[in-house]
Amino acid sequence: EAGVAQSPRYKIIEKRQSVAFWCNPISGHATLYWYQQILGQGPKLLIQFQNNGVVDDSQLPKDRFSAERLKGVDSTLKIQPAKLEDSAVYLCASSYLQFEDTQYFGPGTRLTVL
Amino acid sequence: GDSVTQMEGPVTLSEEAFLTINCTYTATGYPSLFWYVQYPGEGLQLLLKATKADDKGSNKGFEATYRKETTSFHLEKGSVQVSDSAVYFCALNPGQGGADGLTFGKGTHLIIQP
Repeated sequence: EAGVAQSPRYKIIEKRQSVAFWCNPISGHATLYWYQQILGQGPKLLIQFQNNGVVDDSQLPKDRFSAERLKGVDSTLKIQPAKLEDSAVYLCASSYLQFEDTQYFGPGTRLTVL
Repeated sequence: GDSVTQMEGPVTLSEEAFLTINCTYTATGYPSLFWYVQYPGEGLQLLLKATKADDKGSNKGFEATYRKETTSFHLEKGSVQVSDSAVYFCALNPGQGGADGLTFGKGTHLIIQP
């Protein structure tokens, strides 16, 4: 079974530029999550989708971050404009069911904002 | 809000030593508890989980027991190996209706010396 795929793996941009990350969850997984992991910290949830609907985006900085999952499969996370403090690893995870089900994580995209 | 506190690292042990990594949590309701591991250069992987009080999760020689009375989920292994060197994250899933993104601790870097 293929795992969660993410691209790109690495991205370096200047502050105020925009960037987009892509995630393809495990086939059949209805729930998709985006997490931000700053160096030395645990991952922090940004947004959760159930199929193509948003379940929780309470910690998403909506003035600069946006995410979509239009067909209930792939998802993109965008930052526009980027700030220095957005430097982090962005992790995508998916699970078959909500509640108590295992979340499977992708390899992440490491973003450096200069 | 929900939170997870785990012991600061790095933790350095000799091969075959006994390992304990402490984890305590604050949550309303009845969360599920998880330990995830991140090996060097790899993504987050589920190590073990427990979904209700007094449950014991186990995998690869690691164990953790869900203690509701002490709000703890300490990770233990009787004899560690060099290959166990990694960063370990304790996490909780609130297990309530609606959003179920994981809340992570900051991670504990474990170094096993031969």
